[in-house]
Amino acid sequence: GEDVEQSLFLSVREGDSSVINCTYTDSSSTYLYWYKQEPGAGLQLLTYIFSNMDMKQDQRLTVLLNKKDKHLSLRIADTQTGDSAIYFCAERMGKGTALIFGKGTTLSVSS
Amino acid sequence: GAVVSQHPSWVICKSGTSVKIECRSLDFQATTMFWYRQFPKQSLMLMATSNEGSKATYEQGVEKDKFLINHASLTLSTLTVTSAHPEDSSFYICSARAPGYNEQFFGPGTRLTVL
Repeated sequence: GEDVEQSLFLSVREGDSSVINCTYTDSSSTYLYWYKQEPGAGLQLLTYIFSNMDMKQDQRLTVLLNKKDKHLSLRIADTQTGDSAIYFCAERMGKGTALIFGKGTTLSVSS
Repeated sequence: GAVVSQHPSWVICKSGTSVKIECRSLDFQATTMFWYRQFPKQSLMLMATSNEGSKATYEQGVEKDKFLINHASLTLSTLTVTSAHPEDSSFYICSARAPGYNEQFFGPGTRLTVL
């Protein structure tokens, strides 16, 4: 079956790094995504990684994929208060298919 | 980047009435649009997949007669919640995908409150 799991909360201090973890069950996932949702708002695509990649870096964001363990992580360097939001991990199986989302991790950044 | 809009952004209605939510891709043609539902502090759950010019495919447990989806053009899909009840109150989010793109672009969501 398809299932995406995330821890529900993460609290960090401003300037520290944040690491948000995600596990998925379906090994046929082709793309894995990270979305950010601020209160009352829609989803903002942060980054995505193709399943044949191990790592992707984009400015302060680093995505690591361990396909063997079906584990995906998002590292945010130099976390800012503006990074406080809910972060969703999502997987997509094939072309044109919908996304399966985790429950989201609420990131709280204190100054 | 590609922009998807939703209208209205929020709506309050009485129980028993019908509500239509629009999802538009503003600067690209979307052959496929998806409708998701998000309850408070919950994840997004896929309701249906909408392909232009054909009937929508509904997920298990989603009543097609209650949630009417029309994808009449390459830039517009509508979701009509018929005979709405308080338990239909939720955040409805659409996404759109253009041919050849790996990404789905999400709308800002519509908050429906049924009294």
